[in-house]
Amino acid sequence: GAVVSQHPSRVICKSGTSVKIECRSLDFQATTMFWYRQFPKQSLMLMATSNEGSKATYEQGVEKDKFLINHASLTLSTLTVTSAHPEDSSFYICSARDRTQPQHFGDGTRLSIL
Amino acid sequence: SQQGEEDPQALSIQEGENATMNCSYKTSINNLQWYRQNSGRGLVHLILIRSNEREKHSGRLRVTLDTSKKSSSLLITASRAADTASYFCATPYYGGSQGNLIFGKGTKLSVKP
Repeated sequence: GAVVSQHPSRVICKSGTSVKIECRSLDFQATTMFWYRQFPKQSLMLMATSNEGSKATYEQGVEKDKFLINHASLTLSTLTVTSAHPEDSSFYICSARDRTQPQHFGDGTRLSIL
Repeated sequence: SQQGEEDPQALSIQEGENATMNCSYKTSINNLQWYRQNSGRGLVHLILIRSNEREKHSGRLRVTLDTSKKSSSLLITASRAADTASYFCATPYYGGSQGNLIFGKGTKLSVKP
């Protein structure tokens, strides 16, 4: 089955630093990638949708300058949390799909900001 | 507003029993999907049922869809401890063209050995 690799799986860093999370589709070309945020015991909240080669579409309430998304190729999208603060601590999950498949999810990144 | 709402929020059963989870949604859909999430992991796609289908099977999974009631159910038969996870239903954003999904709050299933 389709595989999506997300890296790193866990990050602990100091407040004020920027953190980059990578999402790769390993065996298919992802025309669209999604980034979600999940708080403990809650559902996934879509942050943004990105298509290869174009700007990401952010959901209402998600700061574009805070959460930078780059979808440089059909197999890689990155999410950079800039100047992270403790309130940005969360579980971030990416997913990817091509036109024929349902979304395939990475294993998530647990971000902890001290 | 939340599109998918699962119930129950939590379900605890013994191994071998069947587990039924329900999902309700608000707008018209062309498909509904069920996903599983193990603790601290990403989501795994289980099954997709289209709006013109009433029931679909995949192994020990049985999904029903009632578009008149805007509801779906996921039945896991002969449950195993490995089925312990959270289960989410998801529906496409109304009018969405990129496959954006709205997830329900999920049902946390615990299967005791």
